[in-house]
Amino acid sequence: DIQMTQSPSVLSASVGDRVTLSCKASQNINKNLDWYQQKLGEAPKLLIYFTNNLQTGIPSRFSGSGSGTDYTLTISSLQPEDVATYFCFQYNSGPLTFGSGTKLEIK
Amino acid sequence: QVQLKETGPGLVQPTQTLSITCTVSGFSLTSYYMQWVRQTPGKGLEWMGFIRSGGSTEYNSEFKSRLSISRDTSKNQVFLKMNSLKTEDTGVYYCARADDGYTLDYWGQGVMVTVSS
Repeated sequence: DIQMTQSPSVLSASVGDRVTLSCKASQNINKNLDWYQQKLGEAPKLLIYFTNNLQTGIPSRFSGSGSGTDYTLTISSLQPEDVATYFCFQYNSGPLTFGSGTKLEIK
Repeated sequence: QVQLKETGPGLVQPTQTLSITCTVSGFSLTSYYMQWVRQTPGKGLEWMGFIRSGGSTEYNSEFKSRLSISRDTSKNQVFLKMNSLKTEDTGVYYCARADDGYTLDYWGQGVMVTVSS
């Protein structure tokens, strides 16, 4: 199984900061990776698909990058409504697997 | 608009069978894969399996021996059945539509399932 390791597990930043979240796969996943945002008490929501494609309706401050085993979600200017847990998800090979999440907080 | 909603029992006894229905609207089950994902305190988000637009299924081997996914296209419903439940199966169960097979572009609200006697 492909293991997805996210870091940090908790990130505290100020409004307006540039924030970078990391996701590392245990083997090459060929950019077959999505990012999801989950706010407290809600279902996850698709932000980025296939590494760097912004889902319709998602603010342009969100972006994704990466290749091979290393992937990044960047928020260019953190907003209060971005408080949530962020998960990466690989679908390169089965079983499909999620990372354990990065909880993003506002300082 | 696209909508998904899970309905299920809430409380299930250990060793019993869990049955959850996902009712969808705004799209056709014959055009999209439908996935099941759960979120438990012990393991976080876990992919459980999916049913393809053509009706075939694929399961996470973690659940394969006790999980079944099926559908009724005439009723726009997808079904999850999992037997031999354990307390560690307690969690929130989600159905999700998969665009291009795997990307989960729409999710249901989830249904909380507690496994307890």
